[in-house]
Amino acid sequence: NAGVMQNPRHLVRRRGQEARLRCSPMKGHSHVYWYRQLPEEGLKFMVYLQKENIIDESGMPKERFSAEFPKEGPSILRIQQVVRGDSAAYFCASSPGPDYEQYFGPGTRLTVT
Amino acid sequence: EDQVTQSPEALRLQEGESSSLNCSYTVSGLRGLFWYRQDPGKGPEFLFTLYSAGEEKEKERLKATLTKKESFLHITAPKPEDSATYLCAVHASGGSNYKLTFGKGTLLTVNP
Repeated sequence: NAGVMQNPRHLVRRRGQEARLRCSPMKGHSHVYWYRQLPEEGLKFMVYLQKENIIDESGMPKERFSAEFPKEGPSILRIQQVVRGDSAAYFCASSPGPDYEQYFGPGTRLTVT
Repeated sequence: EDQVTQSPEALRLQEGESSSLNCSYTVSGLRGLFWYRQDPGKGPEFLFTLYSAGEEKEKERLKATLTKKESFLHITAPKPEDSATYLCAVHASGGSNYKLTFGKGTLLTVNP
């Protein structure tokens, strides 16, 4: 039973470029969450999605960041016009429902040069 | 605002030396408290969920307990492979009850 999959594992972007992070949830899970982990800080919630719906994006910056979870395919976290402060590890988690434990993927480490 | 504070920030033990990690939390209402283990360069690995005060869960050398204000992760006779960062998170009731609020973690090092 494959776990949560994320790709790429490492991503390097120059300032001003776009970053696209992908997440495939565990089989049978239709709830996806994105978190960001900055150096020396804890994991911070960004957004919660179900298939084709954004349920809670209260933790996501208002500009440059967007997320989707289409009917077919992985969830995508998109960061436009990246800046150095976006460098972090981005983790995706999935669950079978909002009241269940969340299972995390291996993360995408974004470096902005 | 929901808050989670973990202590100590770092803990160094000798193999076989038992100890406890603390997680203090402040939430309007608790739906669940979660413990995760995170190894360097990897994603958090789920360990336990606790739902109500007095509840206990065990897995190998780990036991998690919960009170109304804090949770403890007890490590009995640890081994070097238990070295990792242990994360505590809360799932609050009401409002945005979807997200987990995490503490900064306790970095555990077990020396052979």
